[in-house]
Amino acid sequence: SYVLTQPPSVSVAPGQTATITCGGDNIGTNSVHWYQQKPGQAPVLVVYDDSDRPSGIPERFSGSNSGNSATLSISRVEAGDEADYYCQVWDSSADHPVVFGTGTRVTVL
Amino acid sequence: QVHLVESGGGVVQPGRSLRLSCAASGFTFSSYPMHWVRQAPGKGLEWVAVISYDGTTKYYADSVKGRFIISRDNSRNSLYLEMSSLRPEDTAVYYCARDGAVVREEYFFDHWGQGTLVTVSS
Repeated sequence: SYVLTQPPSVSVAPGQTATITCGGDNIGTNSVHWYQQKPGQAPVLVVYDDSDRPSGIPERFSGSNSGNSATLSISRVEAGDEADYYCQVWDSSADHPVVFGTGTRVTVL
Repeated sequence: QVHLVESGGGVVQPGRSLRLSCAASGFTFSSYPMHWVRQAPGKGLEWVAVISYDGTTKYYADSVKGRFIISRDNSRNSLYLEMSSLRPEDTAVYYCARDGAVVREEYFFDHWGQGTLVTVSS
């Protein structure tokens, strides 16, 4: 089955940029979506279709996708951005169409 | 605004059944595919099942196929998950989630409920 690999953790100082990678075989051919999940809360969609933002999501959140890696970037990081982040794709040709990444814990120093 | 509220979770013995419900409001429920996604304690997210906007098409993760049934009642703006032959590894918070696209499934999730905890234990 398709595997999406994320770094377990990323640490970033306030005001800096956090970069979270999501690796997968030819992931650039899929649309990638990103979710933020704070402790005890439901996930929230922060980027869809590689780089689009839902209404209400700050412009500080941006995404890109090419080749074997997708990236979620959070610029001007704030304490409130501390959370787990998951990438996700839909592989319509697979037996397991929906795949989530392993998740990345972002810690604001 | 979109509101999804799950209910029906609890503690159940292995091999028994449980039915989860999700009440939807704030949008035209009958126009959207709906999903169930679960998260075991301290673990990542796992997609469980999807149902088309009109209820005619359903797909399941291999881990629940043959044991879980997803359904919906558009007249009641409600989504359901009938779980049978439950196993300890089914222990998780179960979220209902709206598909990000109208009518045609795009398999991403733009709104989530708060989740309901299912614990399978003797």
